Amino acid sequence: DTEVTQTPKHLVMGMTNKKSLKCEQHMGHRAMYWYKQKAKKPPELMFVYSYEKLSINESVPSRFSPECPNSSLLNLHLHALQPEDSALYLCASSQVNRDRIAFFGQGTRLTVV
Amino acid sequence: AQKITQTQPGMFVQEKEAVTLDCTYDTSDQSYGLFWYKQPSSGEMIFLIYQGSYDEQNATEGRYSLNFQKARKSANLVISASQLGDSAMYFCAMREGTTNFGNEKLTFGTGTRLTIIP
Repeated sequence: DTEVTQTPKHLVMGMTNKKSLKCEQHMGHRAMYWYKQKAKKPPELMFVYSYEKLSINESVPSRFSPECPNSSLLNLHLHALQPEDSALYLCASSQVNRDRIAFFGQGTRLTVV
Repeated sequence: AQKITQTQPGMFVQEKEAVTLDCTYDTSDQSYGLFWYKQPSSGEMIFLIYQGSYDEQNATEGRYSLNFQKARKSANLVISASQLGDSAMYFCAMREGTTNFGNEKLTFGTGTRLTIIP
């Protein structure tokens, strides 16, 4: 089983809204990631959690707030977003072993209006 | 400098033919990993194949093989007997060496859009 589940699949939100993206995996992976992908571009890393602790923040604006409540769950809280934040948000997870193959979810397509 | 270079923005291939997607990389690390992912229009990033820098054999996974040429710093993906369902964007990615497992990132190339023609 290499499944990473993201909800919702699509989200439209206003600039004053607060919303959350959810990511879940049951593969026993202890590293989880958020990537942002703009149209026709490759994914870019936003955050890394290792053993439920934030280990990498790629200088992401504070209107994006990650949370890792337990080893299976990763959230991304959104507040006061801008239209340029519209993108595909991909969650991934990996083991913390030599190969560390990252498995991705199907993504959440976010539109900020 | 680009860490991962994919020079083919788009490719058209006849169904059942083999196709090679190019990827070159740049790193000074001795330990690194190279990945290929497939992204259909639905958006999901599907893992295809992995090659570790210390692996002596080229990786293979079903119809996918990775032509790893370490001295040339290339990691081309070969898809044998292409199918219509192979039409998608393909990304090459690299994870550079670190002793802090689970604490590093993938760097992606710009991708190649593959279209299989019936």
